[in-house]
Amino acid sequence: GENVEQHPSTLSVQEGDSAVIKCTYSDSASNYFPWYKQELGKRPQLIIDIRSNVGEKKDQRIAVTLNKTAKHFSLHITETQPEDSAVYFCAARRNQFYFGTGTSLTVIP
Amino acid sequence: GAGVSQSPRYKVAKRGQDVALRCDPISGHVSLFWYQQALGQGPEFLTYFQNEAQLDKSGLPSDRFFAERPEGSVSTLKIQRTQQEDSAVYLCATKGRVDYEQYFGPGTRLTVT
Repeated sequence: GENVEQHPSTLSVQEGDSAVIKCTYSDSASNYFPWYKQELGKRPQLIIDIRSNVGEKKDQRIAVTLNKTAKHFSLHITETQPEDSAVYFCAARRNQFYFGTGTSLTVIP
Repeated sequence: GAGVSQSPRYKVAKRGQDVALRCDPISGHVSLFWYQQALGQGPEFLTYFQNEAQLDKSGLPSDRFFAERPEGSVSTLKIQRTQQEDSAVYLCATKGRVDYEQYFGPGTRLTVT
């Protein structure tokens, strides 16, 4: 099956700085790559996604890039705010979804 | 409309008991996924249905775990003879036929004592 690796596992940034989280995947047939934000005790919430026919997608302060050749994709959050503090998961999907191990992001006011 | 619902939200079981966890999908969603999320970990794929057909159960950790979706709507995840290592949040997610995105339920937190 698919293997998704995610780095870093923890990330602390000052408010207003940027945060970058990186994931790699193993199955070249994976065609959809969502990113989720999960707050403590809550369900994962989709924040942005990208399909395999697109290299980059942006939604306000959040962007995702995909390099199909290298089989990696990244989440970029600019102008971070304290409310961005949460655990972020990447995932890759061919038929079913496989998740990374998560990044705990702390934004320091 | 209503989202994905799961019941119970919390379940405490004594080691060795059987439990049944229910997932009510968004109406019309054909794909249904079950995940196990241990504390501090990402969701781990357990099994996947398309309508009533279980297309992949490769993530079920042992033969104590069994899932069904007999009418292609509500799904039940059953765990027999629960063990302490089964303690986790069990998430259900569903997806429409043409959707890329999956929609998560609130999860069932299972604690085995």
